[in-house]
Amino acid sequence: EAGVTQFPSHSVIEKGQTVTLRCDPISGHDNLYWYRRVMGKEIKFLLHFVKESKQDESGMPNNRFLAERTGGTYSTLKVQPAELEDSGVYFCASSPHPYEQYFGPGTRLTVT
Amino acid sequence: RKEVEQDPGPFNVPEGATVAFNCTYSNSASQSFFWYRQDCRKEPKLLMSVYSSGNEDGRFTAQLNRASQYISLLIRDSKLSDSATYLCVVNPKKSSGDKLTFGTGTRLAVRP
Repeated sequence: EAGVTQFPSHSVIEKGQTVTLRCDPISGHDNLYWYRRVMGKEIKFLLHFVKESKQDESGMPNNRFLAERTGGTYSTLKVQPAELEDSGVYFCASSPHPYEQYFGPGTRLTVT
Repeated sequence: RKEVEQDPGPFNVPEGATVAFNCTYSNSASQSFFWYRQDCRKEPKLLMSVYSSGNEDGRFTAQLNRASQYISLLIRDSKLSDSATYLCVVNPKKSSGDKLTFGTGTRLAVRP
């Protein structure tokens, strides 16, 4: 069974540009989560989808971040405009039920 | 105060040693607890869930003390392949859904 996949694996952009990260969950997993780890800090929750609905977006840092999950399959996370403090590793996770989450390899975002 | 606190280490131990990691959490209403393992520049992977009665999986034993809000992980007969960062992870409360709260991780290095 294929795991969670994320694209791109790395992205380097300039401050003020836009970046879109993509996550493909494990097939059949209704729950999809985004997390972020900035350098030196712990992994932090951003938001949670159940199918196409946002269940919890309490971790989204500000309105420069927009997450979508059209059709309840893959999800995108757009950062517009990117700021230096947005640099970090963005992880996506999926689960078929609460409590057991499977993580993707992450997208390493560098904003210069 | 951080929601989940861990000693960052690193713990440097010889092969065959027994090593223990501890973690404390601040939210007494927390419902579920996990240890994840993260290799360098990789995604977190679930190592084991932690139950009040304690649980064991091969060389790994996890314990939870709800009264003290304390979680532990014991690794016996350390292998070189155990070298990684071990993340203490808590699900804050049932009603918040499944967002996970991570500690910063404890780094383990097992030497020959």
